[in-house]
Amino acid sequence: DAKTTQPTSMDCAEGRAANLPCNHSTISGNEYVYWYRQIHSQGPQYIIHGLKNNETNEMASLIITEDRKSSTLILPHATLRDTAVYYCIVSSTSGGSYIPTFGRGTSLIVHP
Amino acid sequence: GAVVSQHPSWVICKSGTSVKIECRSLDFQATTMFWYRQFPKQSLMLMATSNEGSKATYEQGVEKDKFLINHASLTLSTLTVTSAHPEDSSFYICSARPLGLGNYNEQFFGPGTRLTVL
Repeated sequence: DAKTTQPTSMDCAEGRAANLPCNHSTISGNEYVYWYRQIHSQGPQYIIHGLKNNETNEMASLIITEDRKSSTLILPHATLRDTAVYYCIVSSTSGGSYIPTFGRGTSLIVHP
Repeated sequence: GAVVSQHPSWVICKSGTSVKIECRSLDFQATTMFWYRQFPKQSLMLMATSNEGSKATYEQGVEKDKFLINHASLTLSTLTVTSAHPEDSSFYICSARPLGLGNYNEQFFGPGTRLTVL
């Protein structure tokens, strides 16, 4: 079972910030939060991950609440090419290995 | 960045035939590769975990005799769908975990293979 809940869909105007929330209230202390996105008929693309501190890279920013029960992925200036399904994943382990378990994700539509 | 390729990108076959899908890590070695299946408008479902040089670990409900996985080298894993039927039509995606590259939790996904069984 996915350990996260996300809104089914969101929309955003091109050029504006897209803020995608994710709840992971059962996250444990050593589990990371990962974000991937999947553009239609392509493989998932890694975006960012974090443990407890906020993170930023060239694609996005990740804000994790202090209690780590939720996080927000921020695309600061959304473009039409950011239209995709965004998956928030909490690392689950199997024999010590990290295996991402995908939930339904959030379908983000960026409109002109 | 690390690149994972899949071949073929799409395949159409007749019911009862077998289809092999290759997953390659192009610029890194991967001790572990994962195989997922995705039906239309659904999320990715993990089918199996493939470790180089050992037998794959299959998720519950996935038939190991139908979905044969071979991980003979650190850069190649193959998934063979044996005696394919129309219900096996799906989007098959692999991912690879780099060996000694960056955060050990990182994975890189292939572009997927669209299988259509007539």
